[in-house]
Parts: sequence; structure tokens; C-alpha cells
Amino acid sequence: DSGVTQTPKHLITATGQRVTLRCSPRSGDLSVYWYQQSLDQGLQFLIQYYNGEERAKGNILERFSAQQFPDLHSELNLSSLELGDSALYFCASSRTTSGSYNEQFFGPGTRLTVL
Amino acid sequence: DAKTTQPNSMESNEEEPVHLPCNHSTISGTDYIHWYRQLPSQGPEYVIHGLTSNVNNRMASLAIAEDRKSSTLILHRATLRDAAVYYCIPMQTGNQFYFGTGTSLTVIP
Repeated sequence: DSGVTQTPKHLITATGQRVTLRCSPRSGDLSVYWYQQSLDQGLQFLIQYYNGEERAKGNILERFSAQQFPDLHSELNLSSLELGDSALYFCASSRTTSGSYNEQFFGPGTRLTVL
Repeated sequence: DAKTTQPNSMESNEEEPVHLPCNHSTISGTDYIHWYRQLPSQGPEYVIHGLTSNVNNRMASLAIAEDRKSSTLILHRATLRDAAVYYCIPMQTGNQFYFGTGTSLTVIP
């Protein structure tokens, strides 16, 4: 158990819909990262937040957005869903920002299926 | 970010050592080399990291070439629980993790 929790575990929805994925980081961790893992694209970095502020952006679509709240939990919002958005979405957390001594702890993931 | 080349897959017999190679010829002088692994149906987990010197921890050893253009993750005695995809990630402080395709390790009983 990494200490990072993600809800829900599974999500099934239809194209065009909007969903919200939730992540609670390990106690004391200020950074939260979101990743997408699909069969054809592998594990892709989406976005990072540090203490409530966006720190870095990766391959995140404009239809996707995220935020980190004052209690440090984070939400990833996916809208206008397409079949290709079906994937595993992982959240990770670390003590500070990404760095050489900054191990990232990953949650169990949310499996999103878009029908 | 430095690009990496890893074998797509490797096999090892149980209780034998495993050497997982990674080429990162474009690595910069300040890029640390991180290794993560992803067990089936789980999120990735940290294995080890290093800069220039060889490193050991309870999970594995990391051997870094003198020119830093390659590294090798060493599992001293593979167990069935070590079957996973292993990712080599050169990363500069402040940058983000970019996972490649990794090496899928199969451990044969």
C-alpha cells in the first residue's frame, strides 16, 4: 500500500460525458501527478500540482483539466469523452516537487471505460 | 529529456540474478537515473536511483557505466514477485517522469 488513494476504482461511461477522478496523496506529500496509461500509448505524464498550484504540464488534452485543493487532494476532470480516453489513470504523490531524491508513490489507479 | 532504449522483454529463472540493461546515450550530466517497476494490475513503484556511483538498496543494485550512457539494474535473486515491467528513467531535477516502454521481466519457476 503506497498510501495514495484513488476513487473510483472503475468508471464506465458514454462518449460525450464528463467524469471526475479523485486522488488523495500520502500524508505530508505536497506534489500530485496524474498519468494516463493506455495499451497503445504506455504510461504518459499528464500534469503536476504542487501545493495547490500547477507546476508542470505533459501530454494533457484541452478537454482534461485538474486541480489541487487546499487539503492537497486532487481531481482530474475529463470532459467530452471519446472512446480513445479509455485507459488507466494513475495519481502519484511526492514530498516536494520532482527531484532527484523525490520518490513518487503511485496509487492503484482508476480504470475508465468509455462506451 | 534523455531517450532510453531497453529490451522489450527478458526472462529469468527463479532465484537467479537478473541484469536489466538500459541505454541512455543522450543523458545530460545532471540527469539522475531512476528505475521504477510496475507489477501486473498495479501502479508503478520506485526501485532505485543514482547519478554516477553504483547504488545498492534492499530491492536491487544499480550499476552505472563510467560514461553514464548506460546503466544496469541488478536483481540479485529473482523471485516470482519480481515479474513486472521495469522502466529506466533519466531525469533532471525539476523535470517530470517520462516512462518509455520498459522491459517486461518474466520469472520462470
